[in-house]
Amino acid sequence: EVQLVQSGAELKKPGESLKIYCKGSGYSFSNYWLGWVRQRPGKGLEWMGIVHPGDSDVIYSPSFRGQVTIAADTSLNTAYLQWTTVRASDSAMYFCVRRGDGYRLDVWGQGTLITVSS
Amino acid sequence: YELTQPPSVSVSPGQTARITCSAHVLAQQYAYWYRQMPGQAPVLVIYQDRERPSGVPERFSGASSGTTVTLTISGVRAEDEAVYYCQSVDSTGTSVVFGGGTHLTVL
Repeated sequence: EVQLVQSGAELKKPGESLKIYCKGSGYSFSNYWLGWVRQRPGKGLEWMGIVHPGDSDVIYSPSFRGQVTIAADTSLNTAYLQWTTVRASDSAMYFCVRRGDGYRLDVWGQGTLITVSS
Repeated sequence: YELTQPPSVSVSPGQTARITCSAHVLAQQYAYWYRQMPGQAPVLVIYQDRERPSGVPERFSGASSGTTVTLTISGVRAEDEAVYYCQSVDSTGTSVVFGGGTHLTVL
């Protein structure tokens, strides 16, 4: 079964660093782009960026460039989303998603809830 | 949002729901549709404007005309109540873009 499993919920204080992960299984992890999507409470989906695990190429959405770091490790079949310092406005659900043929987002992780509060 | 969807659509059970998504980019790029139930991750229901992934009921169909794409759900059921998002690619062809989402209410 093709699946993406994400790390668990996080509670952070403003200014702290954070890394969440997404582990793929059931398919050739190196060959598919893997993206990240933010969803703030009660709001819509926002595209953050995407990484190609095979060559580590990363394309950031203009809105998120410089705000987060996206990376992948093929030895662990895992992609990462990282913040140097989190803010309250980063509180949201974050989904990883596999990009299949074309631009279809065909496999989604279960989501990681990030709460940033002092 | 670069793709424009109506915030809400309401239909009675058994009727047909139509959800539109509009943007200039849709004249050149494919559209994709996702269903998101409360507390769950989105699920792909239509790809490349009109194709249905395996496991998605035939009640779900997609169409494209110029700069507008439409998701049609025939014979709507109570379990179809969800938020539906359209998705495509931006004008540079490098970044995914989403519509704002349409909440389908089954009366």
